[in-house]
Amino acid sequence: DTEVTQTPKHLVMGMTNKKSLKCEQHMGHRAMYWYKQKAKKPPELMFVYSYEKLSINESVPSRFSPECPNSSLLNLHLHALQPEDSALYLCASSQGFDDYGYTFGSGTRLTVV
Amino acid sequence: DAKTTQPTSMDCAEGRAANLPCNHSTISGNEYVYWYRQIHSQGPQYIIHGLKNNETNEMASLIITEDRKSSTLILPHATLRDTAVYYCIVSSYSGAGSYQLTFGKGTKLSVIP
Repeated sequence: DTEVTQTPKHLVMGMTNKKSLKCEQHMGHRAMYWYKQKAKKPPELMFVYSYEKLSINESVPSRFSPECPNSSLLNLHLHALQPEDSALYLCASSQGFDDYGYTFGSGTRLTVV
Repeated sequence: DAKTTQPTSMDCAEGRAANLPCNHSTISGNEYVYWYRQIHSQGPQYIIHGLKNNETNEMASLIITEDRKSSTLILPHATLRDTAVYYCIVSSYSGAGSYQLTFGKGTKLSVIP
């Protein structure tokens, strides 16, 4: 298995809802990442998990809450989002040094109404 | 801030070689150059990476200058399916086996029939 699987592919949520995005990989990668991509912009790093511990938080608002229950799974919990949080959320994983960089999932298209 | 600069857009005739330049004048000795591409609203796809030597794989070739301050991605025979945004990225080690990829604005390559 050489893929990063993200679910759901599309999500519409209201500003008072609580929802979660899920990311899964079975390549034995020990680092996992969340990126946010607005339309016509490059992806921006949000969080980095290494060996199931949060190692980087790029000053992301607390309405985004990451979780890494095990080495294969990464969640992003969403609460009280704003319409400007609508974006493509990308998950990625990596093994380590001198590897083929990241493997990205196909993303979750989030719309906040 | 992104560590790379790329032209905003380029055109290439179908069947011809596409040469995409990238400037990374502040690259450090142990930082790799990665190339990814992103086809509309999909997750970024790994193409190739290198440290100091030229590299070739089934998708592309990567030419890195001797001083490592710039590189060129070469798609030898561009097809319409190569139309995408191409990102040149310098990776940075963020500890505990994780690597941070900071995306610049990328080059929008249009392959023309």
